[in-house]
Amino acid sequence: RKEVEQDPGPFNVPEGATVAFNCTYSNSASQSFFWYRQDCRKEPKLLMSVYSSGNEDGRFTAQLNRASQYISLLIRDSKLSDSATYLCVVSYGGSQGNLIFGKGTKLSVKP
Amino acid sequence: GAVVSQHPSRVICKSGTSVKIECRSLDFQATTMFWYRQFPKKSLMLMATSNEGSKATYEQGVEKDKFLINHASLTLSTLTVTSAHPEDSSFYICSARSTRVDRQGITYNSPLHFGNGTRLTVT
Repeated sequence: RKEVEQDPGPFNVPEGATVAFNCTYSNSASQSFFWYRQDCRKEPKLLMSVYSSGNEDGRFTAQLNRASQYISLLIRDSKLSDSATYLCVVSYGGSQGNLIFGKGTKLSVKP
Repeated sequence: GAVVSQHPSRVICKSGTSVKIECRSLDFQATTMFWYRQFPKKSLMLMATSNEGSKATYEQGVEKDKFLINHASLTLSTLTVTSAHPEDSSFYICSARSTRVDRQGITYNSPLHFGNGTRLTVT
């Protein structure tokens, strides 16, 4: 089983749609969780950290379920500019801090 | 603004030459820096992890003598691709983060901050 799994997509949605991405991780010792977005031929950019209580930033809502080892990202009222690949990243603690990337979920928002 | 600066953003070199890529953290001390490679339409592949002042830890299949990593300070790491070949052509990205330890001794890592990447073309 892969350590961080994401549905690769692509998700093709119309503007204004709500879309949800899921991510599961296998190591229960994971401590930090993040969503990044990566545009084509660009570096990943931090979208948001994910906290146990869940957090929201504008149209984006992230949820963490430690019991199920599951992370989600919800995008409401999607815009054309949301088209990108969304990476789920899980980190263990410790000074080395093992970082595991999901392969990413591709989102394409159409007019 | 960018918190991690990577230079150069694009380089074209001849086969057999060496290329050095720099990764600098601009406003924080990067206890750990990571180097990745990404081929077109593929996911990021971690090449190595480097902690300031110690030798880098390379992922399986990555030749440490070909991809030399130096992390001499808390703000600078370099990746040198030695004797580059056309198959080394790729998008190389660095990332950096800081670490803090709370009173209970639990270590927390900051989010990764990525450099803007270096597109290497070996002819």
